[in-house]
Amino acid sequence: GDSVTQMEGPVTLSEEAFLTINCTYTATGYPSLFWYVQYPGEGLQLLLKATKADDKGSNKGFEATYRKETTSFHLEKGSVQVSDSAVYFCALSRLDPMRGSNYKLTFGKGTLLTVNP
Amino acid sequence: EAQVTQNPRYLITVTGKKLTVTCSQNMNHEYMSWYRQDPGLGLRQIYYSMNVEVTDKGDVPEGYKVSRKEKRNFPLILESPSPNQTSLYFCASSLSGRTGGYSGNTIYFGEGSWLTVV
Repeated sequence: GDSVTQMEGPVTLSEEAFLTINCTYTATGYPSLFWYVQYPGEGLQLLLKATKADDKGSNKGFEATYRKETTSFHLEKGSVQVSDSAVYFCALSRLDPMRGSNYKLTFGKGTLLTVNP
Repeated sequence: EAQVTQNPRYLITVTGKKLTVTCSQNMNHEYMSWYRQDPGLGLRQIYYSMNVEVTDKGDVPEGYKVSRKEKRNFPLILESPSPNQTSLYFCASSLSGRTGGYSGNTIYFGEGSWLTVV
């Protein structure tokens, strides 16, 4: 079945450091890829997405490029802020031919990012 | 404002006492779903609904029931809660079940419901 593997946390960085959170996936067909963020005490928010190979999703200074050849969707940010401290989830959604629609997101286990001033 | 609203946000209950977690969305979305989040496991889908009166099991449906009598509401029912159902629960909705390809549909999540079963 489908699966998403993201780097183990926690990740601790100083403000203005460069961030990379690795994410690789296993899925047949052509999944869409997502990064969700969960700030402390809050629900999940969509951070960015990419729906086809070589697409780059970007939002709030974060970027991720859909690499089909390496089945990866790594999250990057050039200069993190304290306010970026959160849990980040990589996820995929794939057309299921048996059901005729994408019916769920498959999530990675999440990576806790802490940014210190 | 587009919202997915869950209630209660926090609940401590006892084993075997039936409870319902409500979920409501104001975006006229067809697709709704429930997930649970557990440490080290990420989020796993419990049930989903493609439209009114259309529901199906996700990856971890055991011990849960759902209903979709109205488009805006999708309650999660625990008939006889057990301690292994202690978790953080998220309701989600989307315009349709097609979240991939070029559809551009986004899944919106509620703020979560912390449930503890003792």
